[in-house]
Amino acid sequence: KAGVTQTPRYLIKTRGQQVTLSCSPISGHRSVSWYQQTPGQGLQFLFEYFSETQRNKGNFPGRFSGRQFSNSRSEMNVSTLELGDSALYLCASSLMGGGNTGELFFGEGSRLTVL
Amino acid sequence: GENVEQHPSTLSVQEGDSAVIKCTYSDSASNYFPWYKQELGKRPQLIIDIRSNVGEKKDQRIAVTLNKTAKHFSLHITETQPEDSAVYFCAAKRVIQGAQKLVFGQGTRLTINP
Repeated sequence: KAGVTQTPRYLIKTRGQQVTLSCSPISGHRSVSWYQQTPGQGLQFLFEYFSETQRNKGNFPGRFSGRQFSNSRSEMNVSTLELGDSALYLCASSLMGGGNTGELFFGEGSRLTVL
Repeated sequence: GENVEQHPSTLSVQEGDSAVIKCTYSDSASNYFPWYKQELGKRPQLIIDIRSNVGEKKDQRIAVTLNKTAKHFSLHITETQPEDSAVYFCAAKRVIQGAQKLVFGQGTRLTINP
């Protein structure tokens, strides 16, 4: 069974540009969460999607957005990039949503560098 | 809002000794507490978890304890080995109207010295 796949793995952008990251969850997983990882802040929750609906959102500005498709694949978008957006963006999928304490399976991440 | 504090940020122990990492959480509604291990350049992976109706759980050299009253939980690694060197993250989960939000601590970089 394939794991969580994230693309692209590495990318470099300049300030003001926008970026779209993609995540394909493990087959059968309907919950997809996104996290931003930086050395000083650890893993910061961005948002969670389940059955194409955003169910929860972290404390990030509106420049950060996402969506989920009917096949559970998810994308996140960051517009008007700032230097501080440089980070590793991790996607995680879970078999169960809602009240179940499903284990999160992480992808390898997309490392974004903003110049 | 929800917050998880993790200490220490770095920890260095001699091979064979024990390591303890502690976390506190602010949201009393949290009911699930996993621990993730992230080796250098790799993805975080679940190593152990505990639910709020259990006070302690053990898996070979790894154990987790939970004190709901004090809102803190700890990871204990005994007989440490070089392959235990990694960054460890604690997390707390609260279910909000069917949604799930896992809040992570800041991480602990554990180094095992041979």
